[in-house]
Amino acid sequence: AQSVTQLDSQVPVFEEAPVELRCNYSSSVSVYLFWYVQYPNQGLQLLLKYLSGSTLVKGINGFEAEFNKSQTSFHLRKPSVHISDTAEYFCAVRGARWSNYQLIWGAGTKLIIKP
Amino acid sequence: DAGITQSPRHKVTETGTPVTLRCHQTENHRYMYWYRQDPGHGLRLIHYSYGVKDTDKGEVSDGYSVSRSKTEDFLLTLESATSSQTSVYFCAISESVEGDRGYTFGSGTRLTVV
Repeated sequence: AQSVTQLDSQVPVFEEAPVELRCNYSSSVSVYLFWYVQYPNQGLQLLLKYLSGSTLVKGINGFEAEFNKSQTSFHLRKPSVHISDTAEYFCAVRGARWSNYQLIWGAGTKLIIKP
Repeated sequence: DAGITQSPRHKVTETGTPVTLRCHQTENHRYMYWYRQDPGHGLRLIHYSYGVKDTDKGEVSDGYSVSRSKTEDFLLTLESATSSQTSVYFCAISESVEGDRGYTFGSGTRLTVV
């Protein structure tokens, strides 16, 4: 069965420092990959996605992610975080040719920005 | 100008009572989903809909039912609420089955079963 693993439940980082949130998935087929962000007491918003093409994907708020097929990873990065980036981040995957409707979600990583 | 709204935002109910949560969209998207979010579990799909009167079960559907009589409304019913159903419930919509343009989520309903 497909699965998504977010390796860190929490990542503390100082403001203006770089950050990487890790996501690994298990799938032997072509996949679509997504990162969503959830700010406190809100729903989730799409941050960025990989469908095909360039393996480096840029999203909103200065985030980017790199698809690595050989390592089945889709890590999220930002070169300099701001206090407003405090949120929970979710990685999700879907088989590109799946006939069902399910996204497989990671358990989430809380990004904690220290002033 | 939210394209998707959930009601109520908060609810406290007693064990054994039925509860209905409502999701309303103004985007005319075909696909709608109900998720529950619990700490350490990410999002788990309860039910989804691929059109009016077309629904199917997700991975955690036991104890839940859904209905979709209009494109814009997707109702989630807890037939007899239990404490294990205390959670935050999110509705989501998408234009395509692949979700390649992403899902749009509502703001959630925090349900407490006492």
